[in-house]
Amino acid sequence: DAKTTQPNSMESNEEEPVHLPCNHSTISGTDYIHWYRQLPSQGPEYVIHGLTSNVNNRMASLAIAEDRKSSTLILHRATLRDAAVYYCILRDYTGANSKLTFGKGITLSVRP
Amino acid sequence: DAGVIQSPRHEVTEMGQEVTLRCKPISGHDYLFWYRQTMMRGLELLIYFNNNVPIDDSGMPEDRFSAKMPNASFSTLKIQPSEPRDSAVYFCASSLLLAGGLTGELFFGEGSRLTVL
Repeated sequence: DAKTTQPNSMESNEEEPVHLPCNHSTISGTDYIHWYRQLPSQGPEYVIHGLTSNVNNRMASLAIAEDRKSSTLILHRATLRDAAVYYCILRDYTGANSKLTFGKGITLSVRP
Repeated sequence: DAGVIQSPRHEVTEMGQEVTLRCKPISGHDYLFWYRQTMMRGLELLIYFNNNVPIDDSGMPEDRFSAKMPNASFSTLKIQPSEPRDSAVYFCASSLLLAGGLTGELFFGEGSRLTVL
């Protein structure tokens, strides 16, 4: 399985941008990069995904390195509600390997 | 759509008892995943199905665990006999394969919190 590595934790101040990194050096050409987050006492929820180009949605932006071996989830203005565990995972878009494995994720703390 | 529905939300049982967790995926989704989450081990994939067929069960801890998907709208995860180390939150998730404009995102249920005494 392609693996991802993330820092254990990160702190941010409210209303400041947050950049959450993820390394996936063994990514294959058919892997999408997905990000999920898990709020306290809830199941994980989808945040964003991308293949090669940078992506934006209402929740966040995803910046993907040119070689695709790393990516960064960007929260443009952190709020207290963004405090969560953020997971970066890879998903093969052909369906050949849909074994979606979550790592430890990165725990984001947001200071008021 | 009501989303992924899991039951029970909470279960407390005694060691040795049989536990059955249930999941109703989102209608039309063709993938179903069972995960287990503990503080020590994080979010672990136990098994996943595609079109009701188990594809990979290598994450199932041992023979005490079994999962079935008799039809597209229902799946069960059974633990028999249960042990205290099985205490965890069990999540079910469903998705569509990435295709065209679909995102292929996983939709998770709210989880079933199991406590084995």
